[in-house]
Amino acid sequence: SYELTQPPSVSVSPGQTARITCSADALPKRFASWYQQKPGQAPVLVIYKDSERPSGIPERFSGSSSGTTVTLTISGVQAEDEADYYCQSADSSGTYVFGTGTKVTVL
Amino acid sequence: QVHLVQSGAEVKKPGSSVKVSCKASGGTFNNFTINWVRQAPGQGLEWMGGIIPIFTTTNYAQKFQGRVSIIADESTGTASMELSSLRSDDTAVYFCAGERTYFYGSGSYYRGGWFDPWGQGTLVTVSS
Repeated sequence: SYELTQPPSVSVSPGQTARITCSADALPKRFASWYQQKPGQAPVLVIYKDSERPSGIPERFSGSSSGTTVTLTISGVQAEDEADYYCQSADSSGTYVFGTGTKVTVL
Repeated sequence: QVHLVQSGAEVKKPGSSVKVSCKASGGTFNNFTINWVRQAPGQGLEWMGGIIPIFTTTNYAQKFQGRVSIIADESTGTASMELSSLRSDDTAVYFCAGERTYFYGSGSYYRGGWFDPWGQGTLVTVSS
């Protein structure tokens, strides 16, 4: 089955840059999306189509893609960015998969 | 802007079934595929399946094939997910999520692949 692997945790100081990777175990890879989830809340879409940002999402959130790896970058991290982040994509049959999730801690 | 509102928490016995509903407010879900995602306590997100309401076309994760059924009623703007043969490890928060879908002629469509908006989540507890 298609798998998306993320680092379990990322720690960053306020104002610094956090980068979260999401690696697919096979090609081809469809576009990826990223979600932010805070405790007790539903996920929120922060990036779609690898690098597009929905309206209302701060510019400090950006996405990029290279080969089978996509990356979510949070520039100038703020305390409110502390959350779990999940990537998501699909395999060639249209089955959707979420990444393993990354806990971002703001020191 | 479409919002998705889910039904309330459920407590079920092992072996029984649960049905969770998801209603669109502030618009219709005619431009969306409605997906279901679950999250066990302390765990990650898991996609279960989805339905394109205007075609009633469904696709399911292999893990849930035969145990999950997703339906939609365009007239009421409501989608539902029913999971049968419940086990304790089905205890989770179940979310519905809209996926922007683009329709062309002759029944053709393209699913955008991203999930927005999300429902608020429904806790299903399976316990004897």
